[in-house]
Amino acid sequence: NAGVTQTPKFQVLKTGQSMTLQCAQDMNHNSMYWYRQDPGMGLRLIYYSASEGTTDKGEVPNGYNVSRLNKREFSLRLESAAPSQTSVYFCASGRDREGEQYFGPGTRLTVT
Amino acid sequence: AQTVTQSQPEMSVQEAETVTLSCTYDTSESDYYLFWYKQPPSRQMILVIRQEAYKQQNATENRFSVNFQKAAKSFSLKISDSQLGDAAMYFCAYRRGAGSYQLTFGKGTKLSVIP
Repeated sequence: NAGVTQTPKFQVLKTGQSMTLQCAQDMNHNSMYWYRQDPGMGLRLIYYSASEGTTDKGEVPNGYNVSRLNKREFSLRLESAAPSQTSVYFCASGRDREGEQYFGPGTRLTVT
Repeated sequence: AQTVTQSQPEMSVQEAETVTLSCTYDTSESDYYLFWYKQPPSRQMILVIRQEAYKQQNATENRFSVNFQKAAKSFSLKISDSQLGDAAMYFCAYRRGAGSYQLTFGKGTKLSVIP
């Protein structure tokens, strides 16, 4: 059982470049999430998708776009990367009623 | 907006001893969930334990237990018989009840286990 998978694990971008982070889950969860983790800040929600076909902004959405491709997959796109987007990005999926979320292994992104 | 506060940036415990990590939260909701997540150096976020606000009984999972004080808005994690593998960052998290999806995290407590 793979759970939540993310690709890539590491990425280095130059300012202004674009990229897409991929996430997939095999737990048949309706909800999926993207967080970023910065030193001393805990995790902050970027975007979430409560179900296939819907997406909503979280706490820090500026500079990002998302696509819920199907029930399994939820991607995060940086159209024009900035050094402030250097962070570790986590994808998660969740069981709605029970509340908990299960996380992928994370992507460490550096923007120079 | 809900806030979650972990007042201990770092803690240490001797192997086989017991340690308690503190967490307080601020909410006006009556229906919500609380969680503790563990993040070892591998950076994988691992769910340790969950607590539903409507349950008075404190949750337990093997060596991990919580002390949930709803009126005081306090949710501490007790780790018994600490092991070297318990060394990690621990994050407290809050989520409103049905109809809401966002987890609000505290800033974390770094736990060191001394052999």
